[in-house]
Amino acid sequence: DVKVTQSSRYLVKRTGEKVFLECVQDMDHENMFWYRQDPGLGLRLIYFSYDVKMKEKGDIPEGYSVSREKKERFSLILESASTNQTSMYLCASSPARTSYEQYFGPGTRLTVT
Amino acid sequence: QQPVQSPQAVILREGEDAVINCSSSKALYSVHWYRQKHGEAPVFLMILLKGGEQKGHEKISASFNEKKQQSSLYLTASQLSYSGTYFCGMRGGATNKLIFGTGTLLAVQP
Repeated sequence: DVKVTQSSRYLVKRTGEKVFLECVQDMDHENMFWYRQDPGLGLRLIYFSYDVKMKEKGDIPEGYSVSREKKERFSLILESASTNQTSMYLCASSPARTSYEQYFGPGTRLTVT
Repeated sequence: QQPVQSPQAVILREGEDAVINCSSSKALYSVHWYRQKHGEAPVFLMILLKGGEQKGHEKISASFNEKKQQSSLYLTASQLSYSGTYFCGMRGGATNKLIFGTGTLLAVQP
């Protein structure tokens, strides 16, 4: 079974703090993704990575950065958290071929106060 | 631009059928369907590829009209376990990037 784990299920941070969200997958997948999920807006892609140290912007990258130093780990960084970044964050991974499904982690609900 | 899903929400009785539609303004290479139960991660249901190949769930079917840039998910004889939010994800080319729709909430009642 593919397993995608995220470091925290719930996180509360203050405005201006630097926030790290970690994602680890155990199936040697090349691709990893970060999404945010908000009511009525569905899943929106923030960044994705198709190889170690390789990344590509998604649809809403502003205010976020990512790091992928090892194949199994993909980190999302909020450089200076703001209240409009309060959301559910989902990580996913998939094999290299584009016709394969994405496997999602359980999500991190981040609240910025 | 996000794909448009319809309806936004639907309530069914067990045994009834439902159709969820997804349309895009861009040319498509493939369509993915996922279901997310409340409080859980989205789970893959099906992929429909340009050219007609389909991979996925045995009890749920789908169609992909490449010319109209539309896909429909068919849920027949619905069960309580079908409840959740359904998302379509569309891929517009040789990329691993999916653009997801806003979701359709399906509630199946006894």
